[in-house]
Amino acid sequence: GENVEQHPSTLSVQEGDSAVIKCTYSDSASNYFPWYKQELGKGPQLIIDIRSNVGEKKDQRIAVTLNKTAKHFSLHITETQPEDSAVYFCAATFNDMRFGAGTRLTVKP
Amino acid sequence: GAVVSQHPSRVICKSGTSVKIECRSLDFQATTMFWYRQFPKQSLMLMATSNEGSKATYEQGVEKDKFLINHASLTLSTLTVTSAHPEDSSFYICSATQGSGNTIYFGEGSWLTVV
Repeated sequence: GENVEQHPSTLSVQEGDSAVIKCTYSDSASNYFPWYKQELGKGPQLIIDIRSNVGEKKDQRIAVTLNKTAKHFSLHITETQPEDSAVYFCAATFNDMRFGAGTRLTVKP
Repeated sequence: GAVVSQHPSRVICKSGTSVKIECRSLDFQATTMFWYRQFPKQSLMLMATSNEGSKATYEQGVEKDKFLINHASLTLSTLTVTSAHPEDSSFYICSATQGSGNTIYFGEGSWLTVV
C-alpha cells in the first residue's frame, strides 16, 4: 500500500517569511495529492490539491509542486500570517487516501 | 466547496454501550466514504473504506465487528462503535468523495469519550 512521509514535523517561522513542507510517497499509481490544514479539534480542511498530470499549482499565497519521477511533492506558503498556524497534512491517493504524519506550523507575529 | 456533515460532534457514552456516528455528504453523491481515527497530536489513521451498497473494507488491525460501518445511500455512512471501552475514546473523522481521483472532503469530526 501507499506510504507517505512528511517533513518537518514542526516548523516555526516569523510572520512574513515563507514556509515549505515536503512529502514523499511510495506508490507510483497515486494520482491525487491534496494538502489539508487542521486546527485543534476540527476536521481537516482542504487548502490546495494537485493531480498527477500537473507539476505546479498556485492559489494566492499557497502553492504546491509535484515531482512524479522523484515521487515527492511540496507545499509552499508565502508571506505567512499568524492565522496560518495549524497542523498541515499531505496525502497521496489512488483508491484510498494515506496521510503524512503532519507538520505543526507556528507563525510568530 | 462541498460540505460533509458529521454528527454528533461530541458524544459521551458509558463503557459497554454502543454509539453511532453519522457522516453525510450534503451537496454531492458520495460513492466512497472513509473513516479515520485520530489520537492527540497524531496523524489521521484510516480505519475503513466504504463504497455505497457494499461491505466496508477494513484496514489491518481494525476490528470490523467492533467498528460497524454502513454506507446504505450515496449521502450517508455510519460508524457504530459497539461495546465501547475507554480506549476507544478518540476523534473520529469521516471523508467523502464522488469517486477515485475526485476531491475528498472531510467532516468536522466527532469526539467520542467513553467513561
